[in-house]
Amino acid sequence: DTGVSQNPRHKITKRGQNVTFRCDPISEHNRLYWYRQTLGQGPEFLTYFQNEAQLEKSRLLSDRFSAERPKGSFSTLEIQRTEQGDSAMYLCASSLQGFYLGYTFGSGTRLTVV
Amino acid sequence: GDSVTQMEGPVTLSEEAFLTINCTYTATGYPSLFWYVQYPGEGLQLLLKATKADDKGSNKGFEATYRKETTSFHLEKGSVQVSDSAVYFCALSREESGGSNYKLTFGKGTLLTVNP
Repeated sequence: DTGVSQNPRHKITKRGQNVTFRCDPISEHNRLYWYRQTLGQGPEFLTYFQNEAQLEKSRLLSDRFSAERPKGSFSTLEIQRTEQGDSAMYLCASSLQGFYLGYTFGSGTRLTVV
Repeated sequence: GDSVTQMEGPVTLSEEAFLTINCTYTATGYPSLFWYVQYPGEGLQLLLKATKADDKGSNKGFEATYRKETTSFHLEKGSVQVSDSAVYFCALSREESGGSNYKLTFGKGTLLTVNP
C-alpha cells in the first residue's frame, strides 16, 4: 500500500468555477477525514466519514462544499462557485477505527483561486 | 472550545543544538496529545503521541511528556540534524460523546530550520 493518495497535487481555478478533489485512503482504513490548511495555520477539521457515512461536518464547510465517499472507498470534495478565500491546502487522512493508531495524511491538494 | 498554542517560529538552530518547541493546550476532559511533522512538499506525519498524563512519547530522538498540571506537551530533542528541518505541529484529540476520538485540533505550527 502506498499510503493516502490525493489528486490533483495543485489546482489553479478562476473565481466562480467548480473544483473537485479526490482522495484514495489506505485500503483497510474505514475512517476518512478532510482538513483545510491555510498559510501559517494548522490544519482545520472539515468533515469525516466512517465507511460511506458522513458523520460530522464542520461549520467551516459552507453550502458550497460537498464531500462524498461512495461505497466507503475513495472520497471526493467538491467546491462550487469558488471564492478567493477558498485558496488553501486541502488535506485528506485516513485511519482505522480505534483512533490511537493515528491518522495517515496524504500530501494534500493545493488550491489557488484567481 | 479546544485549542492548542505553540511557540511562534521560525526557530533556527545549528546542527547538534538542543531543541525545545513549547506547546500548551486547553481542553475539557482528558485529551490525547500528538506531535506531527511536515517536511517540505509532503503531508503530515505522526511523530509521537501520548494518551494520558505523565506518558512520554518518543520517536527518532524526539520526546514529549504529557503534563496535565501545566497542560503542556513540549517537544524536545537533544541534538538536531539538518534533516530535522520541517514544520512541527502540536495537536490534541478529545473523546467525543459516544466514546469516539476522531477530530484533531492543531496548533499553528513551528518552522524549524537547522543549519550545518
